[in-house]
Amino acid sequence: DGGITQSPKYLFRKEGQNVTLSCEQNLNHDAMYWYRQDPGQGLRLIYYSQIVNDFQKGDIAEGYSVSREKKESFPLTVTSAQKNPTAFYLCASSPAFSGSADTQYFGPGTRLTVL
Amino acid sequence: SQQGEEDPQALSIQEGENATMNCSYKTSINNLQWYRQNSGRGLVHLILIRSNEREKHSGRLRVTLDTSKKSSSLLITASRAADTASYFCATDASWAASKLTFGTGTRLQVTL
Repeated sequence: DGGITQSPKYLFRKEGQNVTLSCEQNLNHDAMYWYRQDPGQGLRLIYYSQIVNDFQKGDIAEGYSVSREKKESFPLTVTSAQKNPTAFYLCASSPAFSGSADTQYFGPGTRLTVL
Repeated sequence: SQQGEEDPQALSIQEGENATMNCSYKTSINNLQWYRQNSGRGLVHLILIRSNEREKHSGRLRVTLDTSKKSSSLLITASRAADTASYFCATDASWAASKLTFGTGTRLQVTL
C-alpha cells in the first residue's frame, strides 16, 4: 500500500448524510486520484488532481466533491446526492504528470456502506 | 464504458502451471499497465509497457502488446498459490494522458 493511507477502513452511513473519506500520501506525488469499485467490477474514476488547488471530474463525479488544499491530502466527500454510494473507494497517487500516465500507487481502500 | 476488457473473467489453475490473461482496449494509447489486487485491498502495480514496445519481462511476468490489434497479454509462469488475486489492465489514452482507465479484471485462483 506504499505511503498512502486511507481512513476509515470501514464506514457506515445513513441515507441523507454526507461523509468524508480521508486520503493522505507522503510520497511527494503531485497527482492524486479517487476511484470507486463495485463488486466484481473494475475501477471507475471519480475525481483527480494534478496539482494543489486544482482538480478535474472523472467519469462518475456526480454526487461527489473533493478538495486539494495540501499536496499530501485529497479528501473525498460522498454527498446525499449520490444515489448508490455503497462501494469500495480507492485513493491513488502518482509522480508529477509527464505527458503520459505514471504508475499509480494505491491506498488500502475504504468500504462505505449505506444503511 | 470501460476502455480495457480482460479475458477470461475468471481463471482457475494448479500451482506450477502458467496463467495467461488478455486485455483488449478501444483507442490509441501511450502505455498499458497491469495491476494486481488481493481481495479487499488496494491495487499494486506490476508492469508498464509503452506503445512502442512489444514485449516486457519482470521476474515471472511477461507482458506483450499488439497495438495493431489493440490487445495485451499478461503471462504468469510457474504460478504459486500466492498469485491468487484479481488482475487489471489499465490504459493511458493518448488523448487523455493524465488518466488511467481500468478494465473489469481477471480473477485468478491458483490451487495447490
